[in-house]
Amino acid sequence: GQNIDQPTEMTATEGAIVQINCTYQTSGFNGLFWYQQHAGEAPTFLSYNVLDGLEEKGRFSSFLSRSKGYSYLLLKELQMKDSASYLCAVNYGGSQGNLIFGKGTKLSVKP
Amino acid sequence: KAGVTQTPRYLIKTRGQQVTLSCSPISGHRSVSWYQQTPGQGLQFLFEYFSETQRNKGNFPGRFSGRQFSNSRSEMNVSTLELGDSALYLCASFETGGSDTQYFGPGTRLTVL
Repeated sequence: GQNIDQPTEMTATEGAIVQINCTYQTSGFNGLFWYQQHAGEAPTFLSYNVLDGLEEKGRFSSFLSRSKGYSYLLLKELQMKDSASYLCAVNYGGSQGNLIFGKGTKLSVKP
Repeated sequence: KAGVTQTPRYLIKTRGQQVTLSCSPISGHRSVSWYQQTPGQGLQFLFEYFSETQRNKGNFPGRFSGRQFSNSRSEMNVSTLELGDSALYLCASFETGGSDTQYFGPGTRLTVL
């Protein structure tokens, strides 16, 4: 199958940096997305990687290594509002409408 | 632009009944995808529609069906509801040929008793 693996839970301190890893099967890879989902809300788009390297967007950055089947989401200067689930999703070709999601990483930010 | 809207937001049904959920995409988006989210399985792809045609279907039984109208609005239907169908059903729309980033609606929380 096309398993997307990411840690179930992480805890970090306000103001710190946290890295959330995601590994996936490389065959058929066509792009990787990161979404943030607060409890009881819809997922919101954070980043999209299709080429190797780092994409930076303010406090959030996302990295991709296609050959290793590996991505990470880096959150800097953590704030309490960053407490949420972070979802890694991969498109395996065909249309972009079919995303395979990991089960999400629940991040808790402590004061 | 208004975001993706879904109706109803909450629904309670009993086993054996059927349900229809509605999704209105972002204006200009012609592609709509549906996902089921449960605590145990996470987000799972149901199906995708583009220009009234189903382009992809996930690994769900035939009780789950959908359609898309000429104005890009989409509906999904679940017949003969089972307890395990209790979930958050999310609709996402995107602009094919653009960034293809999917934007999610708030979801419909379905509870089957």
